[in-house]
Amino acid sequence: DADVTQTPRNRITKTGKRIMLECSQTKGHDRMYWYRQDPGLGLRLIYYSFDVKDINKGEISDGYSVSRQAQAKFSLSLESAIPNQTALYFCATSDNRADGYTFGSGTRLTVV
Amino acid sequence: GESVGLHLPTLSVQEGDNSIINCAYSNSASDYFIWYKQESGKGPQFIIDIRSNMDKRQGQRVTVLLNKTVKHLSLQIAATQPGDSAVYFCAERISNFGNEKLTFGTGTRLTIIP
Repeated sequence: DADVTQTPRNRITKTGKRIMLECSQTKGHDRMYWYRQDPGLGLRLIYYSFDVKDINKGEISDGYSVSRQAQAKFSLSLESAIPNQTALYFCATSDNRADGYTFGSGTRLTVV
Repeated sequence: GESVGLHLPTLSVQEGDNSIINCAYSNSASDYFIWYKQESGKGPQFIIDIRSNMDKRQGQRVTVLLNKTVKHLSLQIAATQPGDSAVYFCAERISNFGNEKLTFGTGTRLTIIP
């Protein structure tokens, strides 16, 4: 099993719909992150959490919300999806070491 | 503002040759610089990192060079193999009182020609 599991792997949704992307980890890391990847723009940080009671905005948090239900789970929600949120979304965990980041395999989201 | 970027978006290299991927950064407060490899359909995978007080670090077939004077980072891959074909990202880590974040560059697609 993967250390960081994202579900779903692919999703097509309509504009205005609410959608949740799930992330779970078995690394035992306290720190979890959600990134968005667009062609030519690299990965941009949406939200991050350093423990269950901690939520922090990244550089592109508008239009997104997160929930850290447990140490192992960190979910990303789009309350009302719009087409420019079409992207590849990655969840990551870390143990605060530079080499300690582990990424999931990504969720490809298409908003039509 | 802060930025981490790459000079070339694509690079093609003959199998067996060495490749060099470059990255420019602008934030002098970064404590680590990291290279990631992303294969199609997968998330980024850690390759090698370098602390900001170093100028060179070697791994297995990879070397990272850091030039703080010109804020430039490079990844050298020796004796490239087909499995090296991927998108490579540089990232800088900025730590601020226990809060650390990664800022990624835009990526370079490396293609190994058989």
